[in-house]
Amino acid sequence: EAGVAQSPRYKIIEKRQSVAFWCNPISGHATLYWYQQILGQGPKLLIQFQNNGVVDDSQLPKDRFSAERLKGVDSTLKIQPAKLEDSAVYLCASSFARQEYGYTFGSGTRLTVV
Amino acid sequence: GENVEQHPSTLSVQEGDSAVIKCTYSDSASNYFPWYKQELGKGPQLIIDIRSNVGEKKDQRIAVTLNKTAKHFSLHITETQPEDSAVYFCAASSSSGSARQLTFGSGTQLTVLP
Repeated sequence: EAGVAQSPRYKIIEKRQSVAFWCNPISGHATLYWYQQILGQGPKLLIQFQNNGVVDDSQLPKDRFSAERLKGVDSTLKIQPAKLEDSAVYLCASSFARQEYGYTFGSGTRLTVV
Repeated sequence: GENVEQHPSTLSVQEGDSAVIKCTYSDSASNYFPWYKQELGKGPQLIIDIRSNVGEKKDQRIAVTLNKTAKHFSLHITETQPEDSAVYFCAASSSSGSARQLTFGSGTQLTVLP
């Protein structure tokens, strides 16, 4: 089966600019996650979707981050305005069901804010 | 919330030797413990997992042990090979009827020396 697709692979922007990341999960996977991975650290959950509804966004910095999942398939994560500390890899993962144990991760988008 | 601590942060072993990575978790409700391998420029890939009703699981050269009383679990890699060199993450998942999420450790950079 095809994996989780993410784009772009790399992005360099100046602080205060905006940026968007795209994720296409594995077909049929109802649950979608966005994680932030700062260099040298483990992934940290930002937001979790079940179909097109938000299950948990308690760790999403809502003053600058937003995410949506239209029609319960693709998802977009946006940052506006970006800060230097947002430099990280943004990982998208999906799983078949809400209580499903297995996550599949995409390759991520590496964001550098200068 | 859940907190996962992982040690060591770096580990170097000679090819053919064994490697052990240890993690502790804080939430006694956590019931699923996966291990991920992350190679440079790629997303984390699930290599083995264990559920709370099992004490040990093995898959070829990889094994995981879980001590629920002490709230710690470990990854054991035997007969290490250069291709085992990567960053390894442990994670813990709690599920209480609401959103199930993985909390990751900070990672271990494993280097297998030829």
